[in-house]
Amino acid sequence: GAGVSQSPSNKVTEKGKDVELRCDPISGHTALYWYRQSLGQGLEFLIYFQGNSAPDKSGLPSDRFSAERTGGSVSTLTIQRTQQEDSAVYLCASSPGPGSNQPQHFGDGTRLSIL
Amino acid sequence: RKEVEQDPGPFNVPEGATVAFNCTYSNSASQSFFWYRQDCRKEPKLLMSVYSSGNEDGRFTAQLNRASQYISLLIRDSKLSDSATYLCVVNTAGGTSYGKLTFGQGTILTVHP
Repeated sequence: GAGVSQSPSNKVTEKGKDVELRCDPISGHTALYWYRQSLGQGLEFLIYFQGNSAPDKSGLPSDRFSAERTGGSVSTLTIQRTQQEDSAVYLCASSPGPGSNQPQHFGDGTRLSIL
Repeated sequence: RKEVEQDPGPFNVPEGATVAFNCTYSNSASQSFFWYRQDCRKEPKLLMSVYSSGNEDGRFTAQLNRASQYISLLIRDSKLSDSATYLCVVNTAGGTSYGKLTFGQGTILTVHP
């Protein structure tokens, strides 16, 4: 399809392991966002990429979280030394441009469970 | 105070009812406003943008009051398929900067036969 694609859809891992989540935005969309949604909670902004500009990392909860976006397209979110509180659904969204009125299109998310 | 606050809900209404959701935001510089819908265990999807003059899309009407920093969503003639969580979403970055969105906690709507 032509939507935002995320993988894996589900990930179960042991505490202390590293995980890598992938997002493939809609073709041509220059803006890419990562959010997470804990059970029963709203969406929490994590990081934003726009073109070749420096990303806005202001939402990353700790230095165990990092993200990159290669070639202005695919993005990976990496969580090192996972903790149980990292369990959540990680959602990626993209939009055509950086404007504040641009609607964001979400992927199905990666459901991360830390044992 | 949260940046975006919504009615806690949940709302349980019969088919055909009219239901209204409210939302307030704290950043007076916010420029863009949206309502998203999220079905259970699904990703959020844009329902509609909210414009200063108010806007309507079929059975859905959105209103914005900048002076009160208040947003509303009205659903008329509710359908079973309207059952979902409705998220009030605001660009809290303000100005013309990028679309960093802040989501409210969401209001759960259940429409029953």
